[in-house]
Amino acid sequence: EVQLVESGGGLVQPGRSLRLSCSASGFTFEDYPMGWFRQAPGKGLEWVGFIRSRVYGGTTEYAASVQGRFNISRDDSKAIAYLQMNNLKTEDTAMYFCSREDYNNDYSFDYWGPGSLVTVSS
Amino acid sequence: DIQLTQSPSSLSASVGDRVTITCRASQSISRYLNWYQQKPGKAPKLLIYSGSILQRGVPSRFSGSASGTDFTVTVSGLQPEDFATYYCQQSYSVPFTFGPGTTVDIK
Repeated sequence: EVQLVESGGGLVQPGRSLRLSCSASGFTFEDYPMGWFRQAPGKGLEWVGFIRSRVYGGTTEYAASVQGRFNISRDDSKAIAYLQMNNLKTEDTAMYFCSREDYNNDYSFDYWGPGSLVTVSS
Repeated sequence: DIQLTQSPSSLSASVGDRVTITCRASQSISRYLNWYQQKPGKAPKLLIYSGSILQRGVPSRFSGSASGTDFTVTVSGLQPEDFATYYCQQSYSVPFTFGPGTTVDIK
């Protein structure tokens, strides 16, 4: 059974950093791109970015709203994807989800973690 | 960036009703349109990918279709567990974008 679990969220002051982890199980992690999404309280879904599999260079793409501040990485040996968030702003307050990108099905996001809440406030 | 609009933004329906939600893309995205269902406090759930292919395990009362840049998801025979918010999302090009969502609530 595919499972994704995010961790590392919490309350952080503006300008500080936080790293989220996404622990995966139940599939061959190294074969899949992994995405990060967020949802501000009462708002819609927003794509944050994703990281390709190592076979495709492990390269990353980001939303303009986080470009230069957030960094996605992966450790295939541990089956973990990371979202490093720097210089956090109050508008980054959201529930953050990780998801598996299914390259077999037109790059849809087929499995999601339950989310990790990040609150940026002084 | 590709913009997605959804209509309606919300609707009220009864159990057993047939409901249709539309998503329009600002430019051609071929078949790269996905539909997700989200319930309060939960992660999104993939319902349909590639515009019309039902994800494994999703009930057959859900269906998707596409015509040009217009995509629809239809629920034929709404069930109590279908009351939720539905989002479309394009995976044609980065940045991947979502529609603003359509909330389906009980009439």
